[in-house]
Amino acid sequence: EPEVTQTPSHQVTQMGQEVILRCVPISNHLYFYWYRQILGQKVEFLVSFYNNEISEKSEIFDDQFSVERPDGSNFTLKIRSTKLEDSAMYFCASNKDRVSNQPQHFGDGTRLSIL
Amino acid sequence: SQQGEEDPQALSIQEGENATMNCSYKTSINNLQWYRQNSGRGLVHLILIRSNEREKHSGRLRVTLDTSKKSSSLLITASRAADTASYFCATPNSGGGADGLTFGKGTHLIIQP
Repeated sequence: EPEVTQTPSHQVTQMGQEVILRCVPISNHLYFYWYRQILGQKVEFLVSFYNNEISEKSEIFDDQFSVERPDGSNFTLKIRSTKLEDSAMYFCASNKDRVSNQPQHFGDGTRLSIL
Repeated sequence: SQQGEEDPQALSIQEGENATMNCSYKTSINNLQWYRQNSGRGLVHLILIRSNEREKHSGRLRVTLDTSKKSSSLLITASRAADTASYFCATPNSGGGADGLTFGKGTHLIIQP
């Protein structure tokens, strides 16, 4: 079964540095998402992306964050000037189309540790 | 407002017993979804129930939805050690389509062998 893949599995970065998290969504999917999960807390929506633009974003997704689909397969989340509180698991997800009631498919996540 | 709040936060039962988890939400929805998360892994979709459905089954899973009470329950029958995981309910942010999801805090289920 097709999977969403994320790299790296673990990223350690110094505070203030930029980090790029990478995702390869399922190939025929058109909608892409980023979520984060701070240790011990619930999964939080960050942003959704369709047709090369942001469809929806949460209050968490401020100017520090950006997303991009640089080619036909990758979907990236960039965090500029990282802070300690950005330490979390970041999950990418994809959805096939705009038909309602479709489940999202999640990757295994990138654990981001800010030192 | 908090959307998709589960209870209990933690549940420990013996293998073979049934496990029931509940979820409440606040806004109107057109579907509610349940996901499982094994430790250190991503979320795996279990089941989706539409707002016009009251009950849905998938294998050992049974989900109910009461839109008048804005609540849902997930029942896992004949539990197995492999069912040990965290379970989350999730609702679309704006009601449906390809929206992002709002997750609850989850129920951590432990199945004792």
